[in-house]
Amino acid sequence: GDSVTQMEGPVTLSEEAFLTINCTYTATGYPSLFWYVQYPGEGLQLLLKATKADDKGSNKGFEATYRKETTSFHLEKGSVQVSDSAVYFCALTDKNSGGSNYKLTFGKGTLLTVNP
Amino acid sequence: DGGITQSPKYLFRKEGQNVTLSCEQNLNHDAMYWYRQDPGQGLRLIYYSQIVNDFQKGDIAEGYSVSREKKESFPLTVTSAQKNPTAFYLCASVPLGQGRGYTFGSGTRLTVV
Repeated sequence: GDSVTQMEGPVTLSEEAFLTINCTYTATGYPSLFWYVQYPGEGLQLLLKATKADDKGSNKGFEATYRKETTSFHLEKGSVQVSDSAVYFCALTDKNSGGSNYKLTFGKGTLLTVNP
Repeated sequence: DGGITQSPKYLFRKEGQNVTLSCEQNLNHDAMYWYRQDPGQGLRLIYYSQIVNDFQKGDIAEGYSVSREKKESFPLTVTSAQKNPTAFYLCASVPLGQGRGYTFGSGTRLTVV
């Protein structure tokens, strides 16, 4: 079945540091890939997505590139801020998993804390 | 503005009680989902529905029930058969069409007292 493996953390950085959160996936078909962010006590918000190989998703200074050859979708940001402190989830939907059920498969999440 | 509304935000359940969590969306999305979130375990799928009057079990459906009588609404009932219901519950929706991300509600935190 489909699966997502991401760096579990926690990750602690100083403000303006470079961020990488690793994410790799296993899928039988041609997945779309997502990063979600969850702030304390809230639901998940879509951060960025990529729907085919070599696509780069970007939003709010975050980027991730869909690498089919390494089955990866690593999240990066060049200079983190205190306000980026949150839990980050990598996820996928697979076009070929059970037809059109559009189920999202999530990684376990990575807690990021950014200190001033 | 369109979105998903979950209520209540906090819910307390006594042993042996059934409780119902509300999820309403005005996005005209076809599919709706319920996830359970526990610390260190990520999100686990409870139930999902793609069309009215139809729903499917997810990975951890035991002790839960749902209905989809209207496109906008997908309530989740946590029954007394669910032995460890304390968790954060998230509802999500998505329009049909591959490559679209889910829209999530703000969640309900359920605690057994």
